[in-house]
Amino acid sequence: DAKTTQPNSMESNEEEPVHLPCNHSTISGTDYIHWYRQLPSQGPEYVIHGLTSNVNNRMASLAIAEDRKSSTLILHRATLRDAAVYYCILQKQALNFGKGTSLLVTP
Amino acid sequence: DSGVTQTPKHLITATGQRVTLRCSPRSGDLSVYWYQQSLDQGLQFLIQYYNGEERAKGNILERFSAQQFPDLHSELNLSSLELGDSALYFCASSVEGYFLQETQYFGPGTRLLVL
Repeated sequence: DAKTTQPNSMESNEEEPVHLPCNHSTISGTDYIHWYRQLPSQGPEYVIHGLTSNVNNRMASLAIAEDRKSSTLILHRATLRDAAVYYCILQKQALNFGKGTSLLVTP
Repeated sequence: DSGVTQTPKHLITATGQRVTLRCSPRSGDLSVYWYQQSLDQGLQFLIQYYNGEERAKGNILERFSAQQFPDLHSELNLSSLELGDSALYFCASSVEGYFLQETQYFGPGTRLLVL
């Protein structure tokens, strides 16, 4: 199964943009790239997903490399509420969450 | 609020015992998924049901079983409990249950502590 690699942690200042990277060099043509996040003491929450083209929604943007071997989740203006663990997942057989990136947002 | 409900919120039991966790999916969702989240293993997929039938199986132990009822709620049964089964158990639901592009909506979880 294709795997993803994310940094263990990242830090951002409030109201600044955040770029969360994800490498998935063994991605296959039919793998959708999904991002979920998990706020403290809560269940995971869907953020965004895409296949080939960049995607935008009210929560974030997803930039997918042309070769699809990497992607970046962009939070345009981080708030304290965005502090969470962000998971990049190739949703094929099941959601294999891995460890994700723990995002710290400082005032 | 995702619309997925799980009961109980917390459960404390002893080794060797059996417990049942309950999940009600979002209205209209036919598929239910169970996940286990422990400190050392992260969030792991256990099993999926679609409209009452088992559709996919992950890292589910033989001591664990699940079912989905005609009203689409699901139960996860954990038996012969061990200390290592202490974890957060999440239920998620989706409309159809096709992994490729479908969003899963997660419940708030049940925290199980085995003493």
